[in-house]
Order: sequence, then structure tokens, then C-alpha cells
Amino acid sequence: NFMLTQPHSVSESPGKTVTISCTRSRGNIASNYVQWYQQRPGSAPTTVIFDDDQRPSGVPDRFSGSIDSSSNSASLTISGLKTEDEADYYCQSHDSSSYVFGTGTKVTVL
Amino acid sequence: EQLVETGGGLMQPGGSLRLSCEGSGLIVSSNYMNWVRQAPGKGLEWVSVLYHGGSTYYADSVKGRFTISRDESKDTLFLQMNRLRVDDTAVYYCVRSRFNTFDLWGRGTLVTVSS
Repeated sequence: NFMLTQPHSVSESPGKTVTISCTRSRGNIASNYVQWYQQRPGSAPTTVIFDDDQRPSGVPDRFSGSIDSSSNSASLTISGLKTEDEADYYCQSHDSSSYVFGTGTKVTVL
Repeated sequence: EQLVETGGGLMQPGGSLRLSCEGSGLIVSSNYMNWVRQAPGKGLEWVSVLYHGGSTYYADSVKGRFTISRDESKDTLFLQMNRLRVDDTAVYYCVRSRFNTFDLWGRGTLVTVSS
């Protein structure tokens, strides 16, 4: 199995941009798709990015995802930060027989 | 489409509990169904998956103690949890996965293991 490591927290002002990294410990980050979930307090997670860089319908284009094989990591970028973006964010991937979530990042909009 | 979990509660260490998950607007038995848990104040942890073909997989932390299953006549997903431990305390979510994305989540049911 492998782990997905994220920064514990990031914070930025409204209107700015934040990028959250998700580093895979073993295996190639590009070998399995990466998803990103947003979880607001008291609620179940919702998908903001799937298949590395695809947005579900209804997710604003301020959210974008990417993969960087050189650092074996995925990234979620939120541009034009809004107060409603304040939440926990988790990356997720899989291997042949299990699913793995990242450690989670708390995004604070100052 | 909606998933609703039931069966959570307070249990003593070493005890057993069975969670249920019913769907509305979807056929649970035709989907890849998972259990994902979240300990209080902690991150998400995948627990188990049941593929529509019947294959099952488990996280190492629950292998040999938990069993995922379904009743097709009731279109209900289950998680039988045996030999419960304090660190099994969590909100347990029933989740559908499609192409490795967890795209539909229930609201969760809280399991507390404490003496």
C-alpha cells in the first residue's frame, strides 16, 4: 500500500489563490487517477475534482487539479478564494485492491 | 439519489455491531458500494468495498474483523463489525464509487466503542 501526504493547513485571503499538494509515498502518481473532496463541518464530503483534473457539474472553474510526475504529487488549486471555500480537502487514489485518502488539509479563508 | 445509514450506537470493546445502508433512487446491489469512516476530528479512512460482481476488499485495520455484504432482496448493504476496538470509534459513511470516485455519500452513522 501507499500513503498520500497533504499539508495540515493552508490559509489565504479572499480573492487569492491556494494550492494544496498531495504526495504519493510509493508507486507512480500517474498510474491511478486522483480525486479531491471538499468536506465542510458537519457534512459528508463532496467531489470537487475527479480523474486528476475533471470537474463535476456544478463545481466552479475556480477549482482545478493537476498531476506532477517529477514530484510524484497531485495538486488542487483554488483561485479567487471565497469564504465558502473554507473547508477540509482530501485527495484520494487507489491501487489494485484498496482506496487511499490523503491526510487532509484545512483551508482557512482569512 | 440518496443513501441512508442506520445501526450506529455505543458498544463495549470486543462487542459486535451491524450497520445497514439503504438507497433511494438507486439500486444498491448494482453499484460498487463502500464503507468509509472518520474518527472524531480526524481524516477519512476507507474501510471496505463490495463490487457488484461480489468481490470484497478491506483495509488492513479491519481485515478479519469486519465483513461487508448485501441483501439483494432488500437492496441493502451491511457492515458486520466484530471484535470492536476503541479505535473503531468513528462516523461510518456508506458511499457509492464509480470509476474509483466516491460520488454519492450517506450522512453517516456514529459508532462509539467505549467501556
